[in-house]
Amino acid sequence: EDKVVQSPLSLVVHEGDTVTLNCSYEVTNFRSLLWYKQEKKAPTFLFMLTSSGIEKKSGRLSSILDKKELFSILNITATQTGDSAVYLCAVVEYGNKLVFGAGTILRVKS
Amino acid sequence: DAGVIQSPRHEVTEMGQEVTLRCKPISGHNSLFWYRQTMMRGLELLIYFNNNVPIDDSGMPEDRFSAKMPNASFSTLKIQPSEPRDSAVYFCASSLTQGTQYFGPGTRLLVL
Repeated sequence: EDKVVQSPLSLVVHEGDTVTLNCSYEVTNFRSLLWYKQEKKAPTFLFMLTSSGIEKKSGRLSSILDKKELFSILNITATQTGDSAVYLCAVVEYGNKLVFGAGTILRVKS
Repeated sequence: DAGVIQSPRHEVTEMGQEVTLRCKPISGHNSLFWYRQTMMRGLELLIYFNNNVPIDDSGMPEDRFSAKMPNASFSTLKIQPSEPRDSAVYFCASSLTQGTQYFGPGTRLLVL
């Protein structure tokens, strides 16, 4: 059965800390991996990763994919309280079907 | 662009009633997805369409759930009859084929 596993399940840090969120996957027909941030409403897109070893970066957030070891990480540096959210990892299979992980709940304390 | 539009945003109904959720995808997107999110089960894919054709409905919980996409700009998810365990947030998302999915604001459903 296809699955996406995220760790840790939850994390509490202080402002300014750096965090690393993990996503490992086992899927039959891997196309790409997506990271989403979900606050109180709908998930919002962060990154799409398709190639191993190429870092995607957006401000304080960055992400990288390892297709050999079947995992991805999402890094957030100099965290802010506005980074508090659930971070979802999803793998895109054939036909654009997404398989989501359970998410990591991040809370940044001021 | 208005993004994915869903209606209603909130729905409270009684057990046994029919519920219809509506979605308008982003113009030009040819794939549409219905998801359900609960605390217990997280985000689950219910069904998705490509070019208005249902491709995979293996996530639809049971026969009480049905979805249609009569044209490229409109889809419905219907629950008949509804049950309390259907209470959840239902998201619609759209994308270009193999592209990033963009989510609507969701419909928060409460079945009493």
